[in-house]
Amino acid sequence: DQQVKQNSPSLSVQEGRISILNCDYTNSMFDYFLWYKKYPAEGPTFLISISSIKDKNEDGRFTVFLNKSAKHLSLHIVPSQPGDSAVYFCAAWKGGSEKLVFGKGTKLTVNP
Amino acid sequence: SQTIHQWPATLVQPVGSPLSLECTVEGTSNPNLYWYRQAAGRGLQLLFYSVGIGQISSEVPQNLSASRPQDRQFILSSKKLLLSDSGFYLCAWSRLAGVESFGPGTRLTVT
Repeated sequence: DQQVKQNSPSLSVQEGRISILNCDYTNSMFDYFLWYKKYPAEGPTFLISISSIKDKNEDGRFTVFLNKSAKHLSLHIVPSQPGDSAVYFCAAWKGGSEKLVFGKGTKLTVNP
Repeated sequence: SQTIHQWPATLVQPVGSPLSLECTVEGTSNPNLYWYRQAAGRGLQLLFYSVGIGQISSEVPQNLSASRPQDRQFILSSKKLLLSDSGFYLCAWSRLAGVESFGPGTRLTVT
């Protein structure tokens, strides 16, 4: 049973435009949601997170939106840059758990 | 600041050979430690995690094993590698709120 789903395996965007990466989850008990960015042959790096009690968190060009009623979150990157080309993983954490639950990732390509 | 080390960076091993990948964390104590694998074109698969010395939880039954002989050391092993063990192996650690920091990874190719 996949609790965190990233239904789009890939996304292609023009430089300067907005990138929107989506993530759905099934477990309403998750307390935190996180986004990681991964370049080929490197470990993922933490990008941004959001608590389940909030609906928006912003950090520079990156904004994460959480819609609890729809069990949906999204990562917005504005403006997109070629260096943003990477695989983005959505992850969820439930309080008291020792581990994250990851989605399968979305490969973002930002074209110059 | 905390640092996580993994070695080797790349490894090519024949089928049936043993495996030992090592991960160490600096700058923190009593971290939770994790081994993940990313197969080609796939997502992150959690293999093992540990909340303390000698405590190992296995997520996926397979021919791999993990050990935590010291607080900040996590080892992934196999007695006999399979072709399907090829992939990118990532060690990670966390202390709170599920935020995990990842190591640089080991690219394993089983031939």
